[in-house]
Amino acid sequence: EAGVVQSPRYKIIEKKQPVAFWCNPISGHNTLYWYRQNLGQGPELLIRYENEEAVDDSQLPKDRFSAERLKGVDSTLKIQPAELGDSAVYLCASTFSRETQYFGPGTRLLVL
Amino acid sequence: DQQVKQNSPSLSVQEGRISILNCDYTNSMFDYFLWYKKYPAEGPTFLISISSIKDKNEDGRFTVFLNKSAKHLSLHIVPSQPGDSAVYFCAATSIMRLYGQNFVFGPGTRLSVLP
Repeated sequence: EAGVVQSPRYKIIEKKQPVAFWCNPISGHNTLYWYRQNLGQGPELLIRYENEEAVDDSQLPKDRFSAERLKGVDSTLKIQPAELGDSAVYLCASTFSRETQYFGPGTRLLVL
Repeated sequence: DQQVKQNSPSLSVQEGRISILNCDYTNSMFDYFLWYKKYPAEGPTFLISISSIKDKNEDGRFTVFLNKSAKHLSLHIVPSQPGDSAVYFCAATSIMRLYGQNFVFGPGTRLSVLP
């Protein structure tokens, strides 16, 4: 069974540029999460989807971040414009049960 | 305010000995706890979990202990192997919510198992 797929794996951009990340969850997983992980810290939730509905986006900086999951399957996370402080690893995870979640390898973003 | 704390950023143990990783939480609504292991350049992978109705869960070399009164859990790895060297994240959630749940992660502990 294929795991959670994320692309790109690495991205380097200049500040004020836009950037987008893509995630394809495990087939059949209704719940999808986007996390941001800063160096030396644990993952922090940005947004959670149940199917195509964003049910918790309270931690998403809405002035510059946006996300979508149009058909309830794959999802994109966008930052526009990017700031230096956005440099981090962006992790996507999905789950079917209430009890655990499966992570993708992450996208490492560096904003110069 | 950190709801899930892992106060040891790093831990080194000799191969074959026991590794004990600790985690403390503050939110009494948490009723389900998980440990994840993360290798460099990979996403976290699920290791073991425990529900608040239990105080111990065992899976091979990995055992998680939960002390609800102290809001403390620990992960024991016996015996430790060099392949266990990774960052370990403690996570907590409430599965009693009616619709979905969020996971709150600690900052992680880097375990180094020395041959």
